[in-house]
Amino acid sequence: GIQVEQSPPDLILQEGANSTLRCNFSDSVNNLQWFHQNPWGQLINLFYIPSGTKQNGRLSATTVATERYSLLYISSSQTTDSGVYFCAVDFKAAGNKLTFGGGTRVLVKP
Amino acid sequence: GAVVSQHPSWVICKSGTSVKIECRSLDFQATTMFWYRQFPKQSLMLMATSNEGSKATYEQGVEKDKFLINHASLTLSTLTVTSAHPEDSSFYICSASRASGRALEQYFGPGTRLTVT
Repeated sequence: GIQVEQSPPDLILQEGANSTLRCNFSDSVNNLQWFHQNPWGQLINLFYIPSGTKQNGRLSATTVATERYSLLYISSSQTTDSGVYFCAVDFKAAGNKLTFGGGTRVLVKP
Repeated sequence: GAVVSQHPSWVICKSGTSVKIECRSLDFQATTMFWYRQFPKQSLMLMATSNEGSKATYEQGVEKDKFLINHASLTLSTLTVTSAHPEDSSFYICSASRASGRALEQYFGPGTRLTVT
């Protein structure tokens, strides 16, 4: 069946470090989004990235649709980057709805 | 742009009562709204999809008579949890998408934390 898998499940970083989060998906996609869920539960859109590479400040993302994975890069991490990062995919076969991965829980220590 | 609000942000209710949660798109018209449920330290699970003026489509395993969804306008959807029980306690999150030429891009509300005692 359709699946979205994220790795690693947990990540502890020292402030200033760089990291890469991975999202593997099982089928062809219409859309892929990366979100950051802050400690209060709010989901913040980071990237809409069904393919290609995008950058926004210290964050960037790359999706290789033909190989069914996406990467989220965090550079020079800050304590405010802590939270849970979700990858969510709108599969072509699923009919216009997002399937969420399990998330990567990030803790950035000062 | 693309701001989605939810009300209330948290609610405590007694077992057997009903509670209504509102989801509004503040600065755009939402062709479709979605309701999710998130248990502690877990991912989001889609409960239902609603389009303005039509019945909601529920995901497998979600009781439509328990979780009533109304999408009365292009900016408002409501979720009513009927005859709530403690196991319904959860974080409920709505999202809205707009017709923008892109494949589905969803914007999320801040969530509603429901506690049933």
